[in-house]
Amino acid sequence: EPEVTQTPSHQVTQMGQEVILRCVPISNHLYFYWYRQILGQKVEFLVSFYNNEISEKSEIFDDQFSVERPDGSNFTLKIRSTKLEDSAMYFCASSEARGGTEAFFGQGTRLTVV
Amino acid sequence: GENVEQHPSTLSVQEGDSAVIKCTYSDSASNYFPWYKQELGKRPQLIIDIRSNVGEKKDQRIAVTLNKTAKHFSLHITETQPEDSAVYFCAAGDSGYSTLTFGKGTMLLVSP
Repeated sequence: EPEVTQTPSHQVTQMGQEVILRCVPISNHLYFYWYRQILGQKVEFLVSFYNNEISEKSEIFDDQFSVERPDGSNFTLKIRSTKLEDSAMYFCASSEARGGTEAFFGQGTRLTVV
Repeated sequence: GENVEQHPSTLSVQEGDSAVIKCTYSDSASNYFPWYKQELGKRPQLIIDIRSNVGEKKDQRIAVTLNKTAKHFSLHITETQPEDSAVYFCAAGDSGYSTLTFGKGTMLLVSP
C-alpha cells in the first residue's frame, strides 16, 4: 500500500539553526500539506501546496517557514532560525484532490529544539 | 475561520462497552468531516469520514452521525476492544479548500 514517507524520524537542533524536514508524498497525489502537533496537543494545519505553489497557510506559517518541491517526488518544510517552541511532531500529508478526500499522513518527524 | 470543539478529552470504558465522542464546528460551509485515530507515537490514520449530504455512516463497529442544523457530528464505537485505545481526532473541512481543522482529540482507554 502506498504511503507518505518522512525523513528524518527525529531531528535535534540548536536554537537559531535552520532545519529542513523532508517528505515523499504518495506518487499520484496532487495536494501536499504540513501539519504540526505539539506534544499532547491537537494536530494544527500549517500549509497546503498545489501546482508548485502555496494554496493555503495558517497564521502559524509565518516568514520563518517555507515549503518547496525541489523535484518530482520530494516536498520539504524549511524552518529558519528555530525557536524552542518549534519543538513538535511535524506531519506531512498528501491527498488526491483538494478537499473532501482522505489526507494520508506520514509517520512524522519529531523536531526537538534545544 | 473554522473552529472545531471536541469532547470529552479523555474517555475510559470497559471492554465491550460503547464509546461516543462528540464534535461541534462553527463554519456552515464545512462539508467534509473525517475522523482520525492516532495510536501512541504513530501517524493519524483515517478511520471513517462523512460528507454533509449524508446523516449517518457505518463501518462495522464504527459509525458517525452528522447534524448539519446543529453543526455537530459524533463518532460511535460499539463493542470496544483494548486495541481501540488511542487518541481520536475529529476534523472539519470544505471540499472547496484544502484545509482541515482538527479538534483537540479524545484519548480513549479501553480496559480489558
